[in-house]
Order: sequence, then C-alpha cells, then structure tokens
Amino acid sequence: KQEVTQIPAALSVPEGENLVLNCSFTDSAIYNLQWFRQDPGKGLTSLLLIQSSQREQTSGRLNASLDKSSGRSTLYIAASQPGDSATYLCAVANQAGTALIFGKGTTLSVSS
Amino acid sequence: NAGVTQTPKFQVLKTGQSMTLQCAQDMNHNSMYWYRQDPGMGLRLIYYSASEGTTDKGEVPNGYNVSRLNKREFSLRLESAAPSQTSVYFCASSVTGDKIYGYTFGSGTRLTVV
Repeated sequence: KQEVTQIPAALSVPEGENLVLNCSFTDSAIYNLQWFRQDPGKGLTSLLLIQSSQREQTSGRLNASLDKSSGRSTLYIAASQPGDSATYLCAVANQAGTALIFGKGTTLSVSS
Repeated sequence: NAGVTQTPKFQVLKTGQSMTLQCAQDMNHNSMYWYRQDPGMGLRLIYYSASEGTTDKGEVPNGYNVSRLNKREFSLRLESAAPSQTSVYFCASSVTGDKIYGYTFGSGTRLTVV
C-alpha cells in the first residue's frame, strides 16, 4: 500500500530564506507526483506536476524534484515571502487515472 | 472555464438527516473523486469514478454512496449523517493520460453534523 510522508509537519522561517519541503513515498512505481498549496479554509491549488519520467519541474520561485528510485521529492522555495505561508501537500498517483494519495502536509509560516 | 464546482459550500445537518453533495466539472475529464479532509488525518479518498458508469470504493467509504450521473457530474450522498462525518469534502477530476494539468480540485464543502 502506497504511503506518503511529509517532513517537517510545520516550518517557520524569516522572509527571504530559501527552504526545502520534503516528501517521501513507499512504492517507487508511481505515475506522477503533484504538489499543492492550501490556504486556511480554502481548497487545493496545484503548484507543480512531475511525471514519472521527469526529474524536476519549475514554476517561478518554485522547483520540485523527483527521485523515484529513492522514493523522494523535494519542493524548493526560493526567497520566501509572507504570502507563501500556507500548507503544502504532496500527492502521488500510482497509475494513470487513479486517485491521488496524499501526505499530511507541511504548514509553512514566513514572517516579515 | 469554471473547473470543478461543488455545492453547497457550507452545510449543517442534524444526526440522522440525509443530504447530497453535488460536484460538476466542465473540463471533459473522465475520472472524478471524492475526498474528505480532517485535522491530523490529511485527505482520504471516499469514492472514485474512473469513467462514466463506474464507481469504486476508496479508503473510507462507509456511510456514503455515490452516483456518476454523467461524464460531468459526480454526487456524494450521506443517507444518515453522523457526527463522525463532520469534515471538509473535496471533489476532484482528472483525465487519464493527462501529462500537463494533473488533478483539479473544487473549493470544498464544509459539513457539520450536530
């Protein structure tokens, strides 16, 4: 059974820091991996999608990497801002068209 | 382009009452999903529908039923609500083989059962 773990559960940093959020999964035979952002009381916003054949994806200040063999993904946020404060969720799909399996998230707080 | 639309956004039920949560997508996606999100538990899959006419149980299906009315709509029904079903419910959709957009989520339904 696929399990997804995110470490740390919470993270507080001052504005301007570069930071890394970690995601690990137990079964390396994934179809894709997706990072989401969730603001308090809101829905999920997709940040980056990495296909199993890819090693990384970039969008603005965000960079996500994927190492299938070790069952790990990282989300790198450059020059963090208070507006980055949110919960970040990692999720994997084992096969095309199957449901995402989520980690419990990392709650990020960026102070000004 | 509305994406995934969920109704209602908020609902309070009394124990034993029934209700249906509605979900519709306008992206021509073939797969649809219902999740619930609880503090400390993360998002857990209730039911999913890989294509029109098919539905399958997820991790926590007890107390729920679903209907894939057509390709656009996937509803979740609580026949006899219990306080343990107090949660935030999210609907999502995806298209098999989509290598660009992945999964799209609705904004959620916040349900309280008293």
